[in-house]
Amino acid sequence: AQSVSQHNHHVILSEAASLELGCNYSYGGTVNLFWYVQYPGQHLQLLLKYFSGDPLVKGIKGFEAEFIKSKFSFNLRKPSVQWSDTAEYFCAVKSLTGGGNKLTFGTGTQLKVEL
Amino acid sequence: GAGVSQSPSNKVTEKGKDVELRCDPISGHTALYWYRQSLGQGLEFLIYFQGNSAPDKSGLPSDRFSAERTGGSVSTLTIQRTQQEDSAVYLCASSSQGYEQYFGPGTRLTVT
Repeated sequence: AQSVSQHNHHVILSEAASLELGCNYSYGGTVNLFWYVQYPGQHLQLLLKYFSGDPLVKGIKGFEAEFIKSKFSFNLRKPSVQWSDTAEYFCAVKSLTGGGNKLTFGTGTQLKVEL
Repeated sequence: GAGVSQSPSNKVTEKGKDVELRCDPISGHTALYWYRQSLGQGLEFLIYFQGNSAPDKSGLPSDRFSAERTGGSVSTLTIQRTQQEDSAVYLCASSSQGYEQYFGPGTRLTVT
């Protein structure tokens, strides 16, 4: 069965520090990849997505992610975090081969940015 | 434009009672999904509707769970004979065919 791993469960950074959150998935077929964010008290919002083409994708609020097919990874990065980036971040994968249209989510990474 | 809406936002029920959770997708979206977010289990897929096709029910945890989508729009998730382990946030999402899913605010279900 398809699975998604987020290795960092809790991350604490100071403002202006660089961020990289890991995401690895198990499925070898063609996939779409997503990062969603859930700010405190708010619902899940799409940060960025990869469908095809340039493996380096840029999303909202200065976030970017790189799809490395050989490593089954889709890590999220931001050069300089802000206090307002405090949130929970979820990586998600959709298989385009026999997996239906459901998203399989990682367990999430709780990011806390300190002033 | 209006996003995905869900009601109620919170529901407290006694063990053994039935509950109905409602989802209004984004207008024009043909696909509708239900997920469950619970401590220790993360976000789990429950069921998926696409147009007039038969729904993908592969994520429903037991036969106490069912869902329907009327007129290709509003969906209701029903949990019969609720158990304490059903306590979770139930999320609805919608999408246009092949595109990203947009999530609603969720219904927090507490079974006492």
